[in-house]
Amino acid sequence: GDSVTQMEGPVTLSEEAFLTINCTYTATGYPSLFWYVQYPGEGLQLLLKATKADDKGSNKGFEATYRKETTSFHLEKGSVQVSDSAVYFCARSRGSYIPTFGRGTSLIVHP
Amino acid sequence: DVKVTQSSRYLVKRTGEKVFLECVQDMDHENMFWYRQDPGLGLRLIYFSYDVKMKEKGDIPEGYSVSREKKERFSLILESASTNQTSMYLCASSTGTGEQETQYFGPGTRLLVL
Repeated sequence: GDSVTQMEGPVTLSEEAFLTINCTYTATGYPSLFWYVQYPGEGLQLLLKATKADDKGSNKGFEATYRKETTSFHLEKGSVQVSDSAVYFCARSRGSYIPTFGRGTSLIVHP
Repeated sequence: DVKVTQSSRYLVKRTGEKVFLECVQDMDHENMFWYRQDPGLGLRLIYFSYDVKMKEKGDIPEGYSVSREKKERFSLILESASTNQTSMYLCASSTGTGEQETQYFGPGTRLLVL
């Protein structure tokens, strides 16, 4: 079935470090791919998305590129801030408007 | 901005009680969803609705039912709460039918069943 696998956390970084959170998806169909972020005490919100191969989604300094050849959509940021501490969810569409979510990766950024 | 609100942030209920979780969205979205979020399991879809009075089972519908009498409101019902339904419940809405549609989430209801 349609699934998403993302790296287990927590990921712990110092401020201004480089961030990568890995995400791979099952290669069925031509899904749209998403990263959502959940800040403490809040619901999820869309961070970025990409709808076709080689598209790059970007927002708030975060980027992810839709790689069909490696079925990946890794999230990157060049310099993280304490305010980026949150849980990040990778997701893919499942042939409709309904997404399948990964298990989430907690990011902790220390000053 | 889309706003999705949930009736309670925290709820404590007893085993066997009937529990109602309410969700309201203010952007005239056709689609509404209920998820539960558990550590290590991520988000799992319970039920969704694509129109008033329409509902579809998600991945884990057992023990739950839903109601959508008005477009803006989607209710999740636990007919007889059990301790394994202790969880964070998230409501979401979206518009359209394309694979690229964004989901808009409420802040969640943390339910504890004793």
